[in-house]
Amino acid sequence: ETGVTQSPTHLIKTRGQQVTLRCSSQSGHNTVSWYQQALGQGPQFIFQYYREEENGRGNFPPRFSGLQFPNYSSELNVNALELDDSALYLCASSPGTGATYEQYFGPGTRLTVT
Amino acid sequence: RKEVEQDPGPFNVPEGATVAFNCTYSNSASQSFFWYRQDCRKEPKLLMSVYSSGNEDGRFTAQLNRASQYISLLIRDSKLSDSATYLCVAASGSARQLTFGSGTQLTVLP
Repeated sequence: ETGVTQSPTHLIKTRGQQVTLRCSSQSGHNTVSWYQQALGQGPQFIFQYYREEENGRGNFPPRFSGLQFPNYSSELNVNALELDDSALYLCASSPGTGATYEQYFGPGTRLTVT
Repeated sequence: RKEVEQDPGPFNVPEGATVAFNCTYSNSASQSFFWYRQDCRKEPKLLMSVYSSGNEDGRFTAQLNRASQYISLLIRDSKLSDSATYLCVAASGSARQLTFGSGTQLTVLP
């Protein structure tokens, strides 16, 4: 196991609602990235947090926002949920150093928007 | 055109077979490369990093050709437990954000 945990495991929300997903990074890792994986697709990069600051963002609208806390855990917030937001949301942690920047994924949160 | 492209398969091979997956990437600024495997409804798990010099981990060999922007994965002596989706990944940017291909599905048959 990677030591990366996410909660909740599953979530069902209604269009227009807001949702908060949580991630605890692996011990010693100060960098957390969030990805969205739609069915049948590879994960897509949402954003990354490094030492509590946003350190890069993919092609997602501002209603996707995040936070990182001093213990390096992180939250992903999505406002005004749309049906297309239904997906597996993955959090990945990495040490933030080293040549290859390997990232290790948590088990994900499966979000269904109805 | 997708940034990382790979043959979606599916690849159905008998146990013991050798199977090769190929992948191309379009962002020449990509800095690191990986293969991940993903079992059904699970998270991607890092299989191996990929280096220009080529690297091997047991039955798995990965190769990177920067000039052709091409990545490969070779699996020898396939096992039933190798059945999964294999994701080709390129990392770029200050965030080393991972760009994934859509995955190649492998089923190893008894």
